[in-house]
Amino acid sequence: SQTIHQWPATLVQPVGSPLSLECTVEGTSNPNLYWYRQAAGRGLQLLFYSVGIGQISSEVPQNLSASRPQDRQFILSSKKLLLSDSGFYLCAWSVDRGTTPLHFGNGTRLTVT
Amino acid sequence: GNSVTQMEGPVTLSEEAFLTINCTYTATGYPSLFWYVQYPGEGLQLLLKATKADDKGSNKGFEATYRKETTSFHLEKGSVQVSDSAVYFCALIFSGSARQLTFGSGTQLTVLP
Repeated sequence: SQTIHQWPATLVQPVGSPLSLECTVEGTSNPNLYWYRQAAGRGLQLLFYSVGIGQISSEVPQNLSASRPQDRQFILSSKKLLLSDSGFYLCAWSVDRGTTPLHFGNGTRLTVT
Repeated sequence: GNSVTQMEGPVTLSEEAFLTINCTYTATGYPSLFWYVQYPGEGLQLLLKATKADDKGSNKGFEATYRKETTSFHLEKGSVQVSDSAVYFCALIFSGSARQLTFGSGTQLTVLP
């Protein structure tokens, strides 16, 4: 069966520090991968998605970036965090067949101080 | 563009009450529809889905019917429990497109004993 791992679960970082969140998927090949952000009391915002290694699409211009160095690994990064980057970050995967749903990781709670 | 409109929250009910969370969508074509649930501090879990008109998705006592004529996918449960307290998201996706997954803003449900 497929599983998705996301870490760390919680993170407190000062403004201006770098960020690296990692997500890996097991049990499937060539998944579509996604990064979403959920700000406090708000809905889900799609940040990045990837349909293959090295293929990244950005939905919202900001100081975050994403990379996919391996088929089942998706990394969210920032060189310098802003206060507004605080939120709950969710990684997700899907297979690109028909209308199958997305499957989410447990999320990372990021607090920028 | 595509959009999903959910009932404004928060919703507070007593245990064993009847639940309805309204969801309507705007889309060109016929998407697949989903309900996701997010328990406190966790990622999103797929609750149920429907892929074509008049389909009924069901899981854990929750039901939703894909109504093409009213472009709706309302979530219902006949008797809620305290353990159903969570945030519920309605979402739609089109076949063959990795980026066309659209979420509603989420509805917070609290069930009191």
